[in-house]
Amino acid sequence: AQKITQTQPGMFVQEKEAVTLDCTYDTSDPSYGLFWYKQPSSGEMIFLIYQGSYDQQNATEGRYSLNFQKARKSANLVISASQLGDSAMYFCAMRDRNTGKLIFGQGTTLQVKP
Amino acid sequence: DTGVSQNPRHKITKRGQNVTFRCDPISEHNRLYWYRQTLGQGPEFLTYFQNEAQLEKSRLLSDRFSAERPKGSFSTLEIQRTEQGDSAMYLCASILTSGQPEAFFGQGTRLTVV
Repeated sequence: AQKITQTQPGMFVQEKEAVTLDCTYDTSDPSYGLFWYKQPSSGEMIFLIYQGSYDQQNATEGRYSLNFQKARKSANLVISASQLGDSAMYFCAMRDRNTGKLIFGQGTTLQVKP
Repeated sequence: DTGVSQNPRHKITKRGQNVTFRCDPISEHNRLYWYRQTLGQGPEFLTYFQNEAQLEKSRLLSDRFSAERPKGSFSTLEIQRTEQGDSAMYLCASILTSGQPEAFFGQGTRLTVV
C-alpha cells in the first residue's frame, strides 16, 4: 500500500529565511508521482511542485524546490526566502498510477515570523 | 476558465437531514475526484469519475453517500441522513489525464452537522 508520512506537525521560520518540510513515502510501484500542495486558511489546495519518480533532476518552481532522494524515499520541500504569505498548511501527496487519486500525508503547519 | 468551482462553500445542517454538494470541474478535464478532509488531517479519497463513469469508491463512502457525474460534466455528492461524524471539508479536484500531472482543486464545501 502507498503511504505518505509527514513528521513535522508545525514549523516556524523567520521571514526571508529558508525552511525544509519533510516528507517520506512508501510504495512498491516503480513509477509514481509526488506532489506538494499548500492549503491556506481559506481551504483551497494550491499546487506547488511535482516530481516524477523517473525525473533525473530535482524539481524547482520559483522559490520552491523538491529535494528528492529516491533511495531514502524522501521528497522534502524547500522554500527559500520565506514570506509572510507562506504561512499555511503544507501537504505532501503521492499519486496512484492507475486511478490518479492522491494519497496525502498528515500535513505540516508553517508559520512565518516577521 | 475560472478553475474548479464548488457550491455551496459552507453548509450547516441538522443531523438526519440530506445535503447535496456540487462541483464544476475545469471544462476539458476528464477525471473528477472527491476527497474528505477533517480538521488537522490530510484529505482522504472518497471516489472518482472518468467522464461519467464512477470507477472507484473508497470504503469511507458508506451507503449514505452517493455521487454522480451526469454527462461527464459537473458532479454532485449527496449525503443522506447526515451524522455529526460527517462534519468535514469536502474537496473536489479534476485533471486531464493527457495533460499536466497536477490535480486542480476547488475551494471546498465545509459541512457542519449540528
